[in-house]
Amino acid sequence: EAGVTQFPSHSVIEKGQTVTLRCDPISGHDNLYWYRRVMGKEIKFLLHFVKESKQDESGMPNNRFLAERTGGTYSTLKVQPAELEDSGVYFCASSQRTSGNEQFFGPGTRLTVL
Amino acid sequence: EDKVVQSPLSLVVHEGDTVTLNCSYEVTNFRSLLWYKQEKKAPTFLFMLTSSGIEKKSGRLSSILDKKELSSILNITATQTGDSAIYLCAVRNISNYQLIWGAGTKLIIKP
Repeated sequence: EAGVTQFPSHSVIEKGQTVTLRCDPISGHDNLYWYRRVMGKEIKFLLHFVKESKQDESGMPNNRFLAERTGGTYSTLKVQPAELEDSGVYFCASSQRTSGNEQFFGPGTRLTVL
Repeated sequence: EDKVVQSPLSLVVHEGDTVTLNCSYEVTNFRSLLWYKQEKKAPTFLFMLTSSGIEKKSGRLSSILDKKELSSILNITATQTGDSAIYLCAVRNISNYQLIWGAGTKLIIKP
């Protein structure tokens, strides 16, 4: 069974540009989470989808970040315009049940904003 | 503000040694504590702990939760070079499904 996949692995962009990250959860997982790890700091929650609905987006840093999950399958996270402090590793995770034990993580997308 | 603190930040030991990693938390309405191992990319799940005093074990790894002390330990016995990784602790509260993460412990096992 394929795990959580993320695309791209690494993206380098200039300040002010737009970047879209993609996450494909494990098939059948209704719950999808986005997390971010900024260099030297702990992983932080960004938001949680249940199917196509945003269950909790309290961790989104500001309105430059837009997450979507049309159709309840894959999700995208767009940063527009990107700022230097957006650099970090963006992880996606999925789980079958909201109260389930385990969130399965993708390999992450490393975003570097120059 | 909810927070999770791990110690030590990094640890270097020799193969065969036993290590104990610590995780303490301050979280309102605690639900569960999870341990993950991160090698190169994706964190992989190790344990989930909800009840105090019950040890979870998987091979050479074991973990236990102390709700009175608001902490958990992860033990690795007879360490191997393949145990080298960042070990992450995360806590979930009842009110939402976010994971609140510690900064991780970087464990290096020398041959």
